[in-house]
Amino acid sequence: GAGVSQSPSNKVTEKGKDVELRCDPISGHTALYWYRQSLGQGLEFLIYFQGNSAPDKSGLPSDRFSAERTGGSVSTLTIQRTQQEDSAVYLCASSLGGAADTQYFGPGTRLTVL
Amino acid sequence: DAKTTQPTSMDCAEGRAANLPCNHSTISGNEYVYWYRQIHSQGPQYIIHGLKNNETNEMASLIITEDRKSSTLILPHATLRDTAVYYCIVRVPLGDKIIFGKGTRLHILP
Repeated sequence: GAGVSQSPSNKVTEKGKDVELRCDPISGHTALYWYRQSLGQGLEFLIYFQGNSAPDKSGLPSDRFSAERTGGSVSTLTIQRTQQEDSAVYLCASSLGGAADTQYFGPGTRLTVL
Repeated sequence: DAKTTQPTSMDCAEGRAANLPCNHSTISGNEYVYWYRQIHSQGPQYIIHGLKNNETNEMASLIITEDRKSSTLILPHATLRDTAVYYCIVRVPLGDKIIFGKGTRLHILP
């Protein structure tokens, strides 16, 4: 079946502009996670959704970052007034929940802020 | 901080079994051991997970010691396509973010 999809795959923007990144989780997956990976660095947790609510936002680096999820499905990560340090690959993962709650990752969106 | 310790890198000859170790001495009773890998420029790929019993699937086997303080991921017949960074992670299910450490960079040698 279809996996997690993300769009766009690549985004180049100018410093100070706002960007929106989209994640379509696997159908039926109630949990959704956002991570980011800067060049040569490990993966960094950003936010977790269970349904439409976000019980853990502890990884969002600043108030320029926000995310929402509607209908328990699609999620959008918004970065306002982008900075060069926001350049990274933004990864989305979803999971069914349950005893093991395996997270499945999408291909990521590569964001470049000029 | 990651709760696991892995070697920085390993080499394995193509066609041989690749054995990747992981130490997780502070693992709690309700935490699972997960393995993911990340091939260059791709998102992390789930491999296998376990709680206390050894597990096997079409990709790999997971051997967990009886005290659960360490585990080994086994790729039975490594191919060049298995070249990747392998992450060993411990976490409780649902709602727990994955904390990725540095992982092990596995090089498969032709």
